[in-house]
Amino acid sequence: EVQLVESGGGLVQPGRSLKFSCAASGFTFSDYAMAWVRQAPKKGLEWVATIIYDGSSTYYRDSVKGRFTISRDNAKSTLYLQMDSLRSEDTATYYCARHRNYGGHALDYWGQGVMVTVSS
Amino acid sequence: DIQMTQSPASLSASLGETVTIECLASEDIYSNLAWYQQKPGKSPQLLIYYANSLNDGVPSRFSGSGSGTQYSLKINSLQSEDVSIYFCQQNYDSPWTFGGGTKLELK
Repeated sequence: EVQLVESGGGLVQPGRSLKFSCAASGFTFSDYAMAWVRQAPKKGLEWVATIIYDGSSTYYRDSVKGRFTISRDNAKSTLYLQMDSLRSEDTATYYCARHRNYGGHALDYWGQGVMVTVSS
Repeated sequence: DIQMTQSPASLSASLGETVTIECLASEDIYSNLAWYQQKPGKSPQLLIYYANSLNDGVPSRFSGSGSGTQYSLKINSLQSEDVSIYFCQQNYDSPWTFGGGTKLELK
């Protein structure tokens, strides 16, 4: 059974940093691109970043470029999101998700999400 | 960025009814369109990928169609467990963008 389990959320002050992790199991992690998607309270979904299967390429939405870093450790089957210079608008639930390998790049498995509140 | 316009924003339907949700892309996304269902307090779940392919385990009453810039999700014979918010997403080009969501309620 595919499982994605995030950890590392919490309350953080503006300008500070936070790092999430997402532990994957039930599939060959190193075969799949992975993503982070966020959802502000009572709002829609917003793609944040994607990393390809071997970590050699990463993609970010403009609003987080230069502040967030997506990375992975295939030996540990773990995905990370390092978030620096946090802003109030980064407040959201962050989901780890797996990209499909074929038939487009839809996100076929999602974690339970981890909440981040950026506030002083 | 490719803009995804989803309609309607909310929808009320009766059990057993057929409902359709539309998604319009701001440019051709060549069928790289996914539909997700998000139940209250839960993570999104993939229903449809590549415009019309049913994800594993998804009931056959869900179907997707469309091409170019226009896509739709149809739910036949609405069940109580289908009460959710539905999102479309283009995965043709980065940044992958989502529609604003359609909240489906029972009448």
